[in-house]
Amino acid sequence: LAKTTQPISMDSYEGQEVNITCSHNNIATNDYITWYQQFPSQGPRFIIQGYKTKVTNEVASLFIPADRKSSTLSLPRVSLSDTAVYYCLVGTLNQAGTALIFGKGTTLSVSS
Amino acid sequence: DTAVSQTPKYLVTQMGNDKSIKCEQNLGHDTMYWYKQDSKKFLKIMFSYNNKELIINETVPNRFSPKSPDKAHLNLHINSLELGDSAVYFCASSQTGQGRGIAKNIQYFGAGTRLSVL
Repeated sequence: LAKTTQPISMDSYEGQEVNITCSHNNIATNDYITWYQQFPSQGPRFIIQGYKTKVTNEVASLFIPADRKSSTLSLPRVSLSDTAVYYCLVGTLNQAGTALIFGKGTTLSVSS
Repeated sequence: DTAVSQTPKYLVTQMGNDKSIKCEQNLGHDTMYWYKQDSKKFLKIMFSYNNKELIINETVPNRFSPKSPDKAHLNLHINSLELGDSAVYFCASSQTGQGRGIAKNIQYFGAGTRLSVL
């Protein structure tokens, strides 16, 4: 599974757009990029997944450049409840039981 | 209904004791996992079962023994508990993805079991 690098922490204010970038220089052809969110005292929760270009759902957008060596999770108009740890994961997910390799994640703190 | 449920939520015990954590998923998934999150918040895979078959067995002490009676359950038994076993243990489940365009291996996590060994 490809190694990922993301900022340790980020600060924002309510209503702002937050962009968290993840580097994955060794991403393989069959690898997908997945982001999870973890609130204190809870398990990680799937946010979004993509392979290339742009993916958008009701929670976030994921931007992936053509070389796929990085990706950016975009959270529009964050609120206090978006304060959490965000994990970027990269890997081939076709095999049964592929374990997720979690790094340190990015701790996002949203203030009023 | 909770998709992935773990019991107990908190577990406080003495060194040397044996304890079990139970996990159940009602999502119809074919794969279940146990992860350990230590005090530094690193989340590491311990075991994975696919259709009741052990497919991932990371380097963990053999005091940890997973058991999967059926696809919906994956329990974790820990013998001779040690101080270093104190952590939060998460159970997760997923369905093996097929084909492109379908989100793959999305894992659904339980709320965690906080184990404190005194």
